[in-house]
Amino acid sequence: QQQVKQSPQSLIVQKGGISIINCAYENTAFDYFPWYQQFPGKGPALLIAIRPDVSEKKEGRFTISFNKSAKQFSLHIMDSQPGDSATYFCAPRSQYSSASKIIFGSGTRLSIRP
Amino acid sequence: EPEVTQTPSHQVTQMGQEVILRCVPISNHLYFYWYRQILGQKVEFLVSFYNNEISEKSEIFDDQFSVERPDGSNFTLKIRSTKLEDSAMYFCASSGGLPEDTQYFGPGTRLTVL
Repeated sequence: QQQVKQSPQSLIVQKGGISIINCAYENTAFDYFPWYQQFPGKGPALLIAIRPDVSEKKEGRFTISFNKSAKQFSLHIMDSQPGDSATYFCAPRSQYSSASKIIFGSGTRLSIRP
Repeated sequence: EPEVTQTPSHQVTQMGQEVILRCVPISNHLYFYWYRQILGQKVEFLVSFYNNEISEKSEIFDDQFSVERPDGSNFTLKIRSTKLEDSAMYFCASSGGLPEDTQYFGPGTRLTVL
């Protein structure tokens, strides 16, 4: 129904490196592709999101790449910093459906080594 | 910046006891949500609430759960008879005037059932 597969489960990146997290979905009705960031002891927070009319969106060091034909989107963190260490969730959905709930992916625990 | 607040930050209870988790959503928001996160797992949707009634609930949200907006500022989640498997982090979220608006999450209440 709304199967979402997120990978990798965990990721360790050296400071200054590029972190890449992937999300694959099945539902072609999805039209909103966000990434959420969660720090330990905190709630998730919307980090960056993309709509299917563009293939890439960049906000500072964070970039979403979207491949509609492959039904995949990814989060790229350039120049990764220790402060980026967090769990990241993708949560694609049909934004204008009656269901406004967020269905989160399984999460990727990112650790940035100093 | 407005934020969602939750109390208590940590609640310890005995199995079978009732607990009430409290949330103060952002003041001009109209949509309210509860999610839970079992340790090490993904965030799961429980219930959404709009116009003083439940708009959607998940399979997790059984008869043991209820939500209420007792006044103009608070939003509560009640678990009538807690089970060991209810131990989790519970997050409240709120969003603005449209269901597709960004949801803002509180810091969570850690519920421990002994």
